[in-house]
Amino acid sequence: EVQLLESGGGLAQPGGSLRLSCAASGFTFGAYAMAWVRQAPGKGLEWVSTIINSGTSTYYTDSVKGRFTISRDTPQNTLYLQMNSLRVDDTAVYHCAKLGGLITRNWYFHLWGRGTLVIVSS
Amino acid sequence: QSVLTQPPSVSGAPGQRVTISCTGRSSNIGAGYDVHWYLQLPQTAPKLLIYDNTNRPSGVPDRFSGSKSGASASLAITGLQAEDEADYYCQSYDSSLSAWVFGGGTKLTVL
Repeated sequence: EVQLLESGGGLAQPGGSLRLSCAASGFTFGAYAMAWVRQAPGKGLEWVSTIINSGTSTYYTDSVKGRFTISRDTPQNTLYLQMNSLRVDDTAVYHCAKLGGLITRNWYFHLWGRGTLVIVSS
Repeated sequence: QSVLTQPPSVSGAPGQRVTISCTGRSSNIGAGYDVHWYLQLPQTAPKLLIYDNTNRPSGVPDRFSGSKSGASASLAITGLQAEDEADYYCQSYDSSLSAWVFGGGTKLTVL
């Protein structure tokens, strides 16, 4: 079964750090670009970051540049999101997603995990 | 304020047809980037509904269809069913922001 399972969420203080993980199974992880998408409580979806299949190129939304780092461990079939200098407005459910499509800018989020909740509060 | 504009809500009776619009601009949909649609049931992960403007992944009923024209796109749902009640999101790429962008979401209510 094709599956994405996130972990690592929890409560963090403003300025703190968390590392999210996403365990992939049921597909050839190394063949696909992957992404993180977040959803603040009661709000819509917001793309956060993307990493290509080789891991050599990464992309970030402006609000997390310099604070978040996406990475992947292909032998372990795992995607990561290192989140530093956390802010209250980073509070959200963070979903990992497998990307589909042939052209980078036309990529779509083909498969989603259920997400892990990050709460940033003092 | 989302880059792609969707109506906050739409509604329809069982069996009816509803459409959800997604309006962009010259830096995203109008620039020719594809539009994709997602469905999110309460407390669940989003699910891909339409990709590359008009294509349905396997398992998605043909009651769901997508279209694109100019800087806008639409999702149509025919033969409305109670289980279609969910939030629907459109998504594309914006070259000005260098970002994959979503619409604000539309809540579909089946009356």
